[in-house]
Amino acid sequence: EAQVTQNPRYLITVTGKKLTVTCSQNMNHEYMSWYRQDPGLGLRQIYYSMNVEVTDKGDVPEGYKVSRKEKRNFPLILESPSPNQTSLYFCASSLKVSYNEQFFGPGTRLTVL
Amino acid sequence: AQTVTQSQPEMSVQEAETVTLSCTYDTSESDYYLFWYKQPPSRQMILVIRQEAYKQQNATENRFSVNFQKAAKSFSLKISDSQLGDAAMYFCAYDQGGSEKLVFGKGTKLTVNP
Repeated sequence: EAQVTQNPRYLITVTGKKLTVTCSQNMNHEYMSWYRQDPGLGLRQIYYSMNVEVTDKGDVPEGYKVSRKEKRNFPLILESPSPNQTSLYFCASSLKVSYNEQFFGPGTRLTVL
Repeated sequence: AQTVTQSQPEMSVQEAETVTLSCTYDTSESDYYLFWYKQPPSRQMILVIRQEAYKQQNATENRFSVNFQKAAKSFSLKISDSQLGDAAMYFCAYDQGGSEKLVFGKGTKLTVNP
């Protein structure tokens, strides 16, 4: 089944404790992206990747890191999480940039205390 | 920067009736794509419909159709014969051709009353 998976689905952590949210797609998509969703703000892009070893900042990259060592994986790293990073996070992928449907993962609910 | 505005934070409709969700966007470009995504309570983001700006014909997908007014920069979603399963958050999104991201509106929460 073609899909984007994220792990964990739920995470409660404390300020400053490094964490990684994994994202994997099995559709051989070139483009992958991370969004955060906050009430009243819609979805905002954090980072994106056009292909392996090619990543760039989105609209709200502060406090986040990403890497793209393999085509299928695009982990999101919070090296020192803070309470303002409490949010719902989505990973998405598409065949190429533009027009193509972006396939979204199921979301990760992160709470930073 | 491109912006997408959904002016209706919440809407409601009676089952079997028709509802229209509004979306406007701001851009100086002529080549772009527009999308409507649905987010049910499960939180999964699901593509409902998409429109290429160069196409004058409005896109349709079963009970879902759009009214694309390029000059007015308007992209509304019409849901006909509303069903209980249509209850969700609906997000309008803009994709500048050749850019690297979708720009989302803030969403409209649709309630379907039985």
